[in-house]
Amino acid sequence: AQTVTQSQPEMSVQEAETVTLSCTYDTSENNYYLFWYKQPPSRQMILVIRQEAYKQQNATENRFSVNFQKAAKSFSLKISDSQLGDTAMYFCAFMNPMDSSYKLIFGSGTRLLVRP
Amino acid sequence: DSGVTQTPKHLITATGQRVTLRCSPRSGDLSVYWYQQSLDQGLQFLIHYYNGEERAKGNILERFSAQQFPDLHSELNLSSLELGDSALYFCASRHRDSPDEKLFFGSGTQLSVL
Repeated sequence: AQTVTQSQPEMSVQEAETVTLSCTYDTSENNYYLFWYKQPPSRQMILVIRQEAYKQQNATENRFSVNFQKAAKSFSLKISDSQLGDTAMYFCAFMNPMDSSYKLIFGSGTRLLVRP
Repeated sequence: DSGVTQTPKHLITATGQRVTLRCSPRSGDLSVYWYQQSLDQGLQFLIHYYNGEERAKGNILERFSAQQFPDLHSELNLSSLELGDSALYFCASRHRDSPDEKLFFGSGTQLSVL
């Protein structure tokens, strides 16, 4: 069974600085999808970024980028120029396309606080 | 607004009771997922329905059941409630079962069992 581990329960960063959130996963599959979701205090789950394992290039979305290390089964999220609105829980998630349900498996989350 | 509607937003009940959580997926979305998020935890997959049929089950308790109706809305029934069932319950939908289809989440139902 696939598992997703986020080893940093909480992190803090100064506004305008850069922060990296860690995520590791365990799978025997060669092709899969990885995601980062943001959950602000409103509790809404917001997709931040998505990576397909067969793509070598790391995904980027504006100030958000990932460092995908397939061999190490690592998928970290880098937030550049942190803003107060980035304060939220961040969840890493895994999807196995061989699973006909295409369900997401989530890590336990990292709470990020951006300090003014 | 994701287009996925969950009602009620908040629910307070007592141990031993039964509640029903409702989810209306985005218009035309055939696939509905239910997740449970306990305090400061990640989302745990409960169950998945596609076009009215159960597709997959996660660690869903026998006291919990769900269904998806012909109009594609879904209900999650929780019975014999215990204190530990207090959690945020999310519904999510996607148009069809494909890894390339984006998953849209509702804003959740916060269940408090007292």
